Amino acid sequence: GEDVEQSLFLSVREGDSSVINCTYTDSSSTYLYWYKQEPGAGLQLLTYIFSNMDMKQDQRLTVLLNKKDKHLSLRIADTQTGDSAIYFCAESKNGNTDKLIFGTGTRLQVFP
Amino acid sequence: GAVVSQHPSWVICKSGTSVKIECRSLDFQATTMFWYRQFPKQSLMLMATSNEGSKATYEQGVEKDKFLINHASLTLSTLTVTSAHPEDSSFYICSARPGLAEVSSTDTQYFGPGTRLTVL
Repeated sequence: GEDVEQSLFLSVREGDSSVINCTYTDSSSTYLYWYKQEPGAGLQLLTYIFSNMDMKQDQRLTVLLNKKDKHLSLRIADTQTGDSAIYFCAESKNGNTDKLIFGTGTRLQVFP
Repeated sequence: GAVVSQHPSWVICKSGTSVKIECRSLDFQATTMFWYRQFPKQSLMLMATSNEGSKATYEQGVEKDKFLINHASLTLSTLTVTSAHPEDSSFYICSARPGLAEVSSTDTQYFGPGTRLTVL
């Protein structure tokens, strides 16, 4: 199938690290993405990783890819209240970046 | 760079009327634009892929006569929901990918802020 799955909800204390997990099914995905959606808004591209990479770091964001297990994670260091949003992972179907299959989204709630 | 806008941001209409939603790439040319639909607390579902100057490619299960897509220029695509019904109420999001000639060209899509459609 084309399911991309994520846990629905994550709650963390401000200053802690957040880890959002995603599992996907298409082993031929070329790119895997993380998007952030704030309430009532569109999607903001946070980062993406090419499928031949294991890890990518961008400031507070670290993406880990386990291609064998088809598992993708996004770690946010020093989580802030402004990080509260819904986070979507997405895979490019069959390596075609025109066909993004989105996960169900993880709502991150950061409390003081 | 790579900003995508949508207009209107929200619209309420009566059942049976048609609604047009615009998607614009503000600082780049996009040969390809995409239209998504998002139901409350759910993920995005790709509806169609729009290529400038050609007919849109619709995903399986999407009625092309109901959701008319026009991509008349490299910076504008429109989605018209014809004869809207309450079940068409949703959040519609477009995205655009810079063309190969653009400095910002990547394989990534840049998303608009979305349009919330409510059909009474």
